[in-house]
This record gives sequence, C-alpha cells and structure tokens, in this order.
Amino acid sequence: NAGVTQTPKFQVLKTGQSMTLQCAQDMNHNSMYWYRQDPGMGLRLIYYSASEGTTDKGEVPNGYNVSRLNKREFSLRLESAAPSQTSVYFCASSDGGTLTDTQYFGPGTRLTVL
Amino acid sequence: QKEVEQDPGPLSVPEGAIVSLNCTYSNSAFQYFMWYRQYSRKGPELLMYTYSSGNKEDGRFTAQVDKSSKYISLFIRDSQPSDSATYLCAMSDPGSARQLTFGSGTQLTVLP
Repeated sequence: NAGVTQTPKFQVLKTGQSMTLQCAQDMNHNSMYWYRQDPGMGLRLIYYSASEGTTDKGEVPNGYNVSRLNKREFSLRLESAAPSQTSVYFCASSDGGTLTDTQYFGPGTRLTVL
Repeated sequence: QKEVEQDPGPLSVPEGAIVSLNCTYSNSAFQYFMWYRQYSRKGPELLMYTYSSGNKEDGRFTAQVDKSSKYISLFIRDSQPSDSATYLCAMSDPGSARQLTFGSGTQLTVLP
C-alpha cells in the first residue's frame, strides 16, 4: 500500500497563476484533509471532507477550493496564487468513524509563490 | 495568543538521555491529546494519543496530560539518534468536527 500520495512534490508559481494539488489514498478511508504548515505556525486545516460528496471549511480556507473527486481523491486548487500561500501542503486521511481516528499524512507539496 | 503553545527548540541531547517535550493550551474543551513525530521533509506520523488526564506508556515513550494545568508532556527514555525529528502536539474537542489544533513543533536532535 502506498498510503497517502501527493503530487507534485515541489512547485514554483508566479503571483496570479493557478494550480491544483492532487492527493490520493489507498486505505479506503472516508475522511480526507488538507493542511498547510508554516514556520512557527504548526499545521493549520484548510478544508476537510468527512465523506465522499461532502467538504467543509477549516481554519484557513480563504484563497482555496477543494474537490472530493471520489473516495480516493481529494484535490486542492489555488485559483490565483499569492505569496502568502507559500507553504508546505499536507494531505491526510482517516477512517472517519470517530473523532480520535488516526490521521495518516502524505509526504507534502512544497509550494513557492513568487 | 495561540490556543496551543509549544517551545520550538531546537533541543539537542546526548544519546541515552531522557527527553521532555511540552505543550500548554488555553481551550478547556480539549479532551483528546496527540503527539506526532515528523522527520525532515516527511509528513507527520502519530506517535501516541491520550484521552483526558493521565499517563500513557508505549515502549520508550510516555505521554502525560494534566488538564487542571492545561499542560501535556511527552517523555522519551533512552533517546536514540533515530528519535531526531520535530515533535508536534495536537489536540481536539468533541465539538470540533475532527479539527485538530497543532502546536508549532519542537525540533529534537539526539547526538550519538
């Protein structure tokens, strides 16, 4: 099992460009999450999907959109990238049955917006 | 003020030392407390989780929660160079719909 995979691993964008970060999991998990990690800020939840067909905002959703394409895949889109969105983005998944479900993280995407 | 405060370090210890990592928090509704380990350029992985107050032990790792002081700790006994990583605390409350609040992480280096 690959677990949680993310593409691309690295990306450099210019201000105003758009891009989609892809995430897939092969653990048959119901819930999926997108986080960003910035120095001194810890991980902050951008959006999550409790189950296929549903998405909800997290702590820092502004400037992002998400799509739960199917049970396996959860994408994060930046429509018009800004330098403030320079960060490391992590996707995670969990079985979703209880609040204490273990979240399994992908390896991350390092995004730089110039 | 952040909801969860964690000393970022860096913390360097010799191999075999006992390591103490700590977080404080302000939200009294938090009931679930977790420690994640993150190796350089990798995603976080769950080490331990505890519910409410008390201790939990798993091998060389012990997690402690003191809800009265809003303080949680992770102890690592007989530390190894392979323990070198960033340690993140995380916590949640029953009403948060699976949202975890993370500390900023403490970077630990165990020197051989």
